Amino acid sequence: DVKVTQSSRYLVKRTGEKVFLECVQDMDHENMFWYRQDPGLGLRLIYFSYDVKMKEKGDIPEGYSVSREKKERFSLILESASTNQTSMYLCASSLEQAQFYGYTFGSGTRLTVV
Amino acid sequence: SQELEQSPQSLIVQEGKNLTINCTSSKTLYGLYWYKQKYGEGLIFLMMLQKGGEEKSHEKITAKLDEKKQQSSLHITASQPSHAGIYLCGALALGGTYKYIFGTGTRLKVLA
Repeated sequence: DVKVTQSSRYLVKRTGEKVFLECVQDMDHENMFWYRQDPGLGLRLIYFSYDVKMKEKGDIPEGYSVSREKKERFSLILESASTNQTSMYLCASSLEQAQFYGYTFGSGTRLTVV
Repeated sequence: SQELEQSPQSLIVQEGKNLTINCTSSKTLYGLYWYKQKYGEGLIFLMMLQKGGEEKSHEKITAKLDEKKQQSSLHITASQPSHAGIYLCGALALGGTYKYIFGTGTRLKVLA
């Protein structure tokens, strides 16, 4: 069963900490994405990557960075966590031609910054 | 920019009742995707619609895309508690192969 795996379901971090959220997919997908989901705001794209070592800013990249050293792994980094980054973070992947196949999502990481 | 508007934002129905969720785009859709999210979990792909007038069904869930490809509906027949969750529509933003946009979601609760 193909899947996208996020390393943690729940995380609690302190303000100012550097936080790493890991995402691994086993489908050989070219594209990978990080979203955050907040009540009333829906899913908002933070960063995406369409190839190894390639990255593009999404709609809300401020305060975040990403790393894609290998095709199957896409990491989201919160350089200095703040309370307004408390959210549900969702990773997704897709084939290059996403319009034909859609996205596959991970189970999400609920991050709380205190 | 293209936006997806979902209605209603939340819905509470009695078990066994039918219900419809709508997703409307400000521009013509290239493809429309429906996802379900159980509370606190990731999104599960339900169905994809690409052609105007297309209709797909899976078990008790039917999704339609109108002829103009700007509106989609998701219909659940004889709802069950297992249908509870958040339903989101998604579509590829015009001009981009990689980026989706999502509706804000419809939160469904089914009372037993």
